[in-house]
Amino acid sequence: QQKVQQSPESLIVPEGGMASLNCTSSDRNVDYFWWYRQHSGKSPKMLMSIFSNGEKEEGRFTVHLNKASLHTSLHIRDSQPSDSALYLCAASIGGLGYKLTFGTGTSLLVDP
Amino acid sequence: EAAVTQSPRNKVTVTGGNVTLSCRQTNSHNYMYWYRQDTGHGLRLIHYSYGAGNLQIGDVPDGYKATRTTQEDFFLLLELASPSQTSLYFCASSDQGDQDTQYFGPGTRLLVL
Repeated sequence: QQKVQQSPESLIVPEGGMASLNCTSSDRNVDYFWWYRQHSGKSPKMLMSIFSNGEKEEGRFTVHLNKASLHTSLHIRDSQPSDSALYLCAASIGGLGYKLTFGTGTSLLVDP
Repeated sequence: EAAVTQSPRNKVTVTGGNVTLSCRQTNSHNYMYWYRQDTGHGLRLIHYSYGAGNLQIGDVPDGYKATRTTQEDFFLLLELASPSQTSLYFCASSDQGDQDTQYFGPGTRLLVL
């Protein structure tokens, strides 16, 4: 059973700062990565997905993927207090993309 | 956005009790999932289904049964609840593609005394 490791466990950044979150899978068969965001007391919501090597940007959020190292990272620029949440990384294998394995998450606090 | 509802939102039972958690999605999604979320473990997949009458075993199935009665409805059954099953349970759904997003319900908090 594959493992998804996230780091750091928790992170505090000042408002307006850059937050960088990391995620690595232990399974060489992994093809797809997702980032979900879960605000306190709420359910997870998909934030970004990445399926190919390289970079993807959506507004203040950028995700990178290096398939050779099975590593993805999420970067949040100009962080806002509303970005304070648990960020969950998930990975899946092509052909079984519906079966996600989640990491334990990075808890982000944006300090106003 | 996809709509997934769960009931009850909170449940307290005793050790050995019977519990049924319900999930409904109204987006004609093929896949439905049950997860549990515990501190230090993240989200773990219990069971999932790709259509009415279908059931697939997830990563932590012991002590749980599930049943998908219709396209919309997916149930999680704990027939002899134990304190180790105290957790936050999420239902999710997704369409049929390999790269489709999973949409989560609001969660059910279960306490087994």
